[in-house]
Amino acid sequence: DAGVTQSPTHLIKTRGQQVTLRCSPISGHKSVSWYQQVLGQGPQFIFQYYEKEERGRGNFPDRFSARQFPNYSSELNVNALLLGDSALYLCASSLLQGSEKLFFGSGTQLSVL
Amino acid sequence: KQEVTQIPAALSVPEGENLVLNCSFTDSAIYNLQWFRQDPGKGLTSLLLIQSSQREQTSGRLNASLDKSSGRSTLYIAASQPGDSATYLCAVRGLGGGGNKLTFGTGTQLKVEL
Repeated sequence: DAGVTQSPTHLIKTRGQQVTLRCSPISGHKSVSWYQQVLGQGPQFIFQYYEKEERGRGNFPDRFSARQFPNYSSELNVNALLLGDSALYLCASSLLQGSEKLFFGSGTQLSVL
Repeated sequence: KQEVTQIPAALSVPEGENLVLNCSFTDSAIYNLQWFRQDPGKGLTSLLLIQSSQREQTSGRLNASLDKSSGRSTLYIAASQPGDSATYLCAVRGLGGGGNKLTFGTGTQLKVEL
């Protein structure tokens, strides 16, 4: 079975642009979470979606938004990119909203120039 | 607000050595604690999960302990190998709402040398 897949793997944008990152969870998993990992830091929670509804939000500005589709895949959108948005964006899927086991994808490395 | 700290930030050891990684957290109201491994530029792989009611978990050469009252966890790696070189992250899941949100430490970068 395929694990959590994220696309693209790498992305380069300039300040002020908008970006969309994509995540496909493990088959059968209904919850998707997004994390931002700045170089040298631990991942920071951005969003959790379950059954297409937002179930948790971290301390990130409104420039960050996400959605989950009927097939449980998810997109993370970031508007008006800043240099500080450069990071590895990780997607994690779990079977249910409160599931203990999270399965992480390999991430999307975003560079903002 | 939960804060998770990991010491040391980096560690270099010769192959075969036993080692201990430390993790501390400020709020003891946790649901569980997990240890993850991250290879450079890659995602996270879960190593061990300890429920708040448990004291330790073991998997192969890895043993993780939890002292919730003091806000501490340790990851013990026995007979280290070069393949163990990676960044090790601990993460706690708090009680209450927020689904399965995890709060991570900044990690310990481990290098095991031949």
